[in-house]
Amino acid sequence: GQQVMQIPQYQHVQEGEDFTTYCNSSTTLSNIQWYKQRPGGHPVFLIQLVKSGEVKKQKRLTFQFGEAKKNSSLHITATQTTDVGTYFCAVSYFHNFNKFYFGSGTKLNVKP
Amino acid sequence: EAGVAQSPRYKIIEKRQSVAFWCNPISGHATLYWYQQILGQGPKLLIQFQNNGVVDDSQLPKDRFSAERLKGVDSTLKIQPAKLEDSAVYLCASSLKIATNEKLFFGSGTQLSVL
Repeated sequence: GQQVMQIPQYQHVQEGEDFTTYCNSSTTLSNIQWYKQRPGGHPVFLIQLVKSGEVKKQKRLTFQFGEAKKNSSLHITATQTTDVGTYFCAVSYFHNFNKFYFGSGTKLNVKP
Repeated sequence: EAGVAQSPRYKIIEKRQSVAFWCNPISGHATLYWYQQILGQGPKLLIQFQNNGVVDDSQLPKDRFSAERLKGVDSTLKIQPAKLEDSAVYLCASSLKIATNEKLFFGSGTQLSVL
């Protein structure tokens, strides 16, 4: 099946430091979504990227879609303890655009 | 707006026993998904319904797993018989329709432990 790689697996930061997670596919994507899962919780939708080179911002979060639509990143500026959780990318492909494949996630821990 | 409802929240069974999970999606959502999330991994799609029809069940272990969505509203996922490797959180999600820009709304999940 299709594979999407997400790195890093874990990230430990001091509160106030920045954080970035990357999602990479070997195949061109139709679109990509990002979700956040708090410890013990369920995934919650953050954003969707559709266009090549697209950049979207949500307060301290910046989402980018690569020009080739094969990779994406989520960057958090000045992390806070409320950012703790696992961040997943979910990708879909042109031949099956209504099926989303989730990455393995990046677990973020923020030390106060 | 009520979210996706799932029950039970937790379930502990012994291997070879049967178990069933229930999901009620957000009202009006045509598409319903069942995902399996093993500890430390991302959600893996098991089956996808559009109304009461199956859109994709290619990753559903059909020898032991079954799912139905009668009347195109709520859904049940059954495992019979369960194996140790079925221990996971089973997440139900729904979306308004099948489209490229539809976000998924997840329920709280059922945490299954198979002993």
